[in-house]
Amino acid sequence: NAGVMQNPRHLVRRRGQEARLRCSPMKGHSHVYWYRQLPEEGLKFMVYLQKENIIDESGMPKERFSAEFPKEGPSILRIQQVVRGDSAAYFCASSPPTDRADTQYFGPGTRLTVL
Amino acid sequence: GESVGLHLPTLSVQEGDNSIINCAYSNSASDYFIWYKQESGKGPQFIIDIRSNMDKRQGQRVTVLLNKTVKHLSLQIAATQPGDSAVYFCAEKNTDKLIFGTGTRLQVFP
Repeated sequence: NAGVMQNPRHLVRRRGQEARLRCSPMKGHSHVYWYRQLPEEGLKFMVYLQKENIIDESGMPKERFSAEFPKEGPSILRIQQVVRGDSAAYFCASSPPTDRADTQYFGPGTRLTVL
Repeated sequence: GESVGLHLPTLSVQEGDNSIINCAYSNSASDYFIWYKQESGKGPQFIIDIRSNMDKRQGQRVTVLLNKTVKHLSLQIAATQPGDSAVYFCAEKNTDKLIFGTGTRLQVFP
């Protein structure tokens, strides 16, 4: 039973380019969460999605960042016009569609480096 | 504001000893807590969880204790092994999202 999959594992972009990060949840999971982690810090919540719906984007920067979780395919975190401050590890987590889907299982992350 | 923090940023223990990692939380309304282990270059790995209607929960070599009176959470690892070396995070469930502390690095020496 495969866990949460993320790709690419490492991504290098120059300032002004776009970054697209992909996340495939665990089989049977329909809730996806994105978190960002700076070196030597804890994870910070960005956005929570269910299929075709954004449920909570309170941690998402208002500009340049967007997320989607289409009916088919992986969840995508998109960062437009990247800046050096976007360099971080981005983790996706998923949980099952139960009434109290508390436990979140994490993928290996995408490490974004902005030159 | 709401926050989850840790008392010790680094903990060094000898192999075979027991480890205790502590965490303080500030939201008394939180009802679910998780401990994660994160090895270098990897994502957080679920270790153990506890709900607020419990004060203790045991897993394999790990025990989580919850003291709601002082809003304190701890992770106990019995007979610590080299493979336990990692950064440990406590996380607090707030509506749909997890709020993480800054982490404690556990170093195990022979």
